[in-house]
Amino acid sequence: ELKVEQNPLFLSMQEGKNYTIYCNYSTTSDRLYWYRQDPGKSLESLFVLLSNGAVKQEGRLMASLDTKARLSTLHITAAVHDLSATYFCAVDTAGFQKLVFGTGTRLLVSP
Amino acid sequence: SAVISQKPSRDICQRGTSLTIQCQVDSQVTMMFWYRQQPGQSLTLIATANQGSEATYESGFVIDKFPISRPNLTFSTLTVSNMSPEDSSIYLCSFLAGEFMNTEAFFGQGTRLTVV
Repeated sequence: ELKVEQNPLFLSMQEGKNYTIYCNYSTTSDRLYWYRQDPGKSLESLFVLLSNGAVKQEGRLMASLDTKARLSTLHITAAVHDLSATYFCAVDTAGFQKLVFGTGTRLLVSP
Repeated sequence: SAVISQKPSRDICQRGTSLTIQCQVDSQVTMMFWYRQQPGQSLTLIATANQGSEATYESGFVIDKFPISRPNLTFSTLTVSNMSPEDSSIYLCSFLAGEFMNTEAFFGQGTRLTVV
């Protein structure tokens, strides 16, 4: 059974600081997704990572994938308050049948 | 990108009643997925719905409690039956679209259900 774990579960950081969220998964997968969720809202797609060594960047967020280590990271650079949200990684099971979500990381960026 | 419309966006229901959630997609999709997100938790897949066949339920979810319909390739409903306060959650529909290298998962706006 595919398991997906994120750490930390909660992250409080100051504006301007850098930090990394980690996503580990237990079995081989075809792709990995990162999502953002604001309170009471649906999921907003951030990144889709398809292959080993993939790196994608959008603004202050950068995601990478190491399929050999079964690890993805979401790096936050010079955090701003607007990045406060919950971030989920999700792993696609073989054949694109369904997604298994990580535990989520609640990020709070303070001035 | 595809547009997916989910309703109602929220509801407050009495225990013992049922609520049907609708999900409409602006293009034809083979599989639709229904997720539950309990307060402060991650998303858990309830079932996968294919058009023309019975939904496939994940462990811990049964058809009598969460009946699903998929009458065509653009529409699906999830019913939460005989509700109890433990069913208070956000329910989301989803589908995968795109070719292999560009496959993405799209989500509805979610239905926030409170059972009192």
